[in-house]
Amino acid sequence: EVQLVESGGGLVQPGGSLRLSCAASGFTFSSYSMNWVRQAPGKGLEWVSYISSSSSTIYYADSVKGRFTISRDNAKNSLYLQMNSLRAEDTAVYYCGPGVQGVIAHWGQGTLVTVSS
Amino acid sequence: DIQLTQSPSFLSASVGDRVTITCRASQGISSYLAWYQQKPGKAPKLLIYAASTLQSGVPSRFSGSGSGTEFTLTISSLQPEDFATYYCQQLNSLFTFGPGTKVDIK
Repeated sequence: EVQLVESGGGLVQPGGSLRLSCAASGFTFSSYSMNWVRQAPGKGLEWVSYISSSSSTIYYADSVKGRFTISRDNAKNSLYLQMNSLRAEDTAVYYCGPGVQGVIAHWGQGTLVTVSS
Repeated sequence: DIQLTQSPSFLSASVGDRVTITCRASQGISSYLAWYQQKPGKAPKLLIYAASTLQSGVPSRFSGSGSGTEFTLTISSLQPEDFATYYCQQLNSLFTFGPGTKVDIK
């Protein structure tokens, strides 16, 4: 069974940093590209970032480019999102999920990031 | 950037109704479109990919069609567990989501 467990969320002040983690199991992590998707309270889904299986290809949404960094450790079956210069509008539940040509068939339960003073 | 619009934004329907949701892309995306269902407090669930391919385990009352710039998600006979918000996602150029359509009980 595919399991994805996000962690690392919490309350952070504007301008601060946070590192999210996603622990994956139940599938061959190193064979799949991975994504971060977020959802602000009461709002829709927003794709945030993509990383290919070998980390050779990385994409970001314009809203986070230059502030967020996606990475992965295939030996540890883990995905990461380093978030710097956080803003109030980054407040959201952050989900991770493996993608096949961008289609996300499995999702974690999400981790809440709150940016507030 | 490719933008997606969904119509309607909100839909009130009864159990047994046939429901159709439309997703339009700002430029042609071939069949690179997926549909997701999300219930409150839960992660999204993949329903359809490649515009019309039903994800394993998804009931056959769900169907998708379209290509290019206009796509539809149809629920042939709405069931109580189908009341949720539905999102389309384009996969042609990065991975934008549509704004969502909330299906509520009439």
